[in-house]
Amino acid sequence: EVQLVESGGGLVQPGGSLRLSCAASGFTFSSYAMSWVRQAPGKGLEWVSGITGSSFSTYYADSVKGRFTVSRDNSNNTLDLQMNSLRAEDTAVYYCAKKPSSSWSYNWFDSWGRGTLVTVSS
Amino acid sequence: EIVLTQSPGTLSLSPGERVTLSCRASQNVSSSYLAWYQQKPGQAPRLLIYGASSRATGIPDRFSGSGSGTDFTLTISRLEPEDFAVYYCQQYGGSPQTFGQGTQLEIK
Repeated sequence: EVQLVESGGGLVQPGGSLRLSCAASGFTFSSYAMSWVRQAPGKGLEWVSGITGSSFSTYYADSVKGRFTVSRDNSNNTLDLQMNSLRAEDTAVYYCAKKPSSSWSYNWFDSWGRGTLVTVSS
Repeated sequence: EIVLTQSPGTLSLSPGERVTLSCRASQNVSSSYLAWYQQKPGQAPRLLIYGASSRATGIPDRFSGSGSGTDFTLTISRLEPEDFAVYYCQQYGGSPQTFGQGTQLEIK
């Protein structure tokens, strides 16, 4: 059974940094592209970042480009999101999501974690 | 960026009824690269449909998807109590991949 468990969320001041992690199990992690998707309180879903199975390519929404960095460790089955220069509008639940193949393009999200809450506030 | 507009925003229906949710794209969604997700309060989204009309593993056959180009629909043939939730469409044919704003299905 696919399991994705996010951690690392919390309260951070504007301009601060936070690192999220997603621990994956139940599948061959390196064979699948992964992503972060966020949901602001009471709002809809917003794709944030993605990475191919081999880490060859990474992708970012314009709203986080230059501030967030996605990475993965295929030996430890973890996906990370380093978030710098955080803003109030980054406040959201951050979900780790799996794609059904190692490539990024033309693929949906077939499994999701339960999310971790990031609150950016002074 | 492809903008997805879902309608209606909220629907109030009773168990047993049939419902059709709409997702309209601002540009052509190539090769029907469209998915539907269900999200219940406090839970992660769950994949229902991909490729516009293919049901994900374990999804009951009362859920069906259709459409192409810019107009897509999700139909639930007979609502069960557990189907009351928020539904999102997502296109993954263009970059960036985008979601609709959601349709909330509530019990009448």
